[in-house]
Amino acid sequence: QLQLQESGPGLVKPSETLSLTCTVSGGSISSTGYYWGWIRQPPGKGLEWIGSIYFSGITYYNPSLKSRLTISVDTSKNQFSLKLSSVTAADTAVYYCARQGTFYYIDVWGEGTTVTVSS
Amino acid sequence: QSALTQPASVSGSPGQSITISCTGTSSDVGGYNYVSWYQQHPGKAPKLMIYDVSNRPSGVSSRFSGSKSGNTASLTISGLQAEDEADYYCNSYTSSSTLVFGGGTKLTVL
Repeated sequence: QLQLQESGPGLVKPSETLSLTCTVSGGSISSTGYYWGWIRQPPGKGLEWIGSIYFSGITYYNPSLKSRLTISVDTSKNQFSLKLSSVTAADTAVYYCARQGTFYYIDVWGEGTTVTVSS
Repeated sequence: QSALTQPASVSGSPGQSITISCTGTSSDVGGYNYVSWYQQHPGKAPKLMIYDVSNRPSGVSSRFSGSKSGNTASLTISGLQAEDEADYYCNSYTSSSTLVFGGGTKLTVL
């Protein structure tokens, strides 16, 4: 059964870069037709799609985050990663990694990891 | 991109049916048959309930159904059960090759 697990620092200082990694187990990140994405949820608020990547390296980003965002993939480690630069308190959220089936829907979710931006 | 519009809350009694709407534009909901719905219980990751407007993943109860008319998609839950109490989010593919979520709807089972 496919599982996704987020990892990374739980606390990031303002103006620094938030970095998270998602490890995929029980399946290959190189499977054709699947995309790998990041979604976040600020405390008490709704879901926000951050962006996605295909195993070939093609990326799709939320326009509101594009200038600060980098998503990358490491097929040898079956992992994909998120880097968000120049963070502020508004970036405090639970960050989920997920699989997008045929891109258009999210069918497998990680358990989420809380990232707090604070000095 | 602007979030899709959902009612903040809906409620219903056990056994009843409720419908949650999700309104977008011709650049997202109205332009593609790629609307999905997610259920989220407190402290848990979301769960896919409906994809491609009206398709149910394996294991999701047939009490959940989806539809679309113009720029508005809908999720209907029939035979409400206490376990259905949760937050529900719609999502759509957009003309910019991105995904956008609705603001979420809190379902209360009375």
